[in-house]
Amino acid sequence: KQEVTQIPAALSVPEGENLVLNCSFTDSAIYNLQWFRQDPGKGLTSLLLIQSSQREQTSGRLNASLDKSSGRSTLYIAASQPGDSATYLCAGISNFGNEKLTFGTGTRLTIIP
Amino acid sequence: DGGITQSPKYLFRKEGQNVTLSCEQNLNHDAMYWYRQDPGQGLRLIYYSQIVNDFQKGDIAEGYSVSREKKESFPLTVTSAQKNPTAFYLCASSIDTRALGNTIYFGEGSWLTVV
Repeated sequence: KQEVTQIPAALSVPEGENLVLNCSFTDSAIYNLQWFRQDPGKGLTSLLLIQSSQREQTSGRLNASLDKSSGRSTLYIAASQPGDSATYLCAGISNFGNEKLTFGTGTRLTIIP
Repeated sequence: DGGITQSPKYLFRKEGQNVTLSCEQNLNHDAMYWYRQDPGQGLRLIYYSQIVNDFQKGDIAEGYSVSREKKESFPLTVTSAQKNPTAFYLCASSIDTRALGNTIYFGEGSWLTVV
């Protein structure tokens, strides 16, 4: 069964810094991995989707990477802004089994102005 | 605009009551999902549906029921058998459950509180 872990649970960084959020998964037979953003009391917004055949995806200041052999994905945020403050969740689908998303518990990011 | 609409945003349930959360999507997606979110536990899958008139139990289906009579609608009923229903409920949809390169879209969520 796929298990997804995100450490740390919370992170605070000064505005303007570059930062990396981590996501670890136990099943290397992962089909794809998605990164989501969640604002307090709101639903999730998909940020980036990485297929297993890809190593990274980029959207604006965001870059997500996937390393199946090490069981890790990272979300890189460049030149952080206060508006980036939110909880970031990763979720993966394994190749085998029920093909449903397994979510991590998220990292709550605070950008300090 | 296309999207997923959940209602109500806030709902209070008395002990022993059944309540139904609405989820409607106009994205023409085949697959729909219900997740429950508790603090510090991430999202857990309650039920999912791959197509009209079909649905499957997720990881925590006990005490919940669903129906999928129309492609655009996937209501969730929280029954009195659900002993700890206070949570944030999220509905989602995707083109299909395999999510082969398909993004999953979420509604804004519904807060359910037992009083």
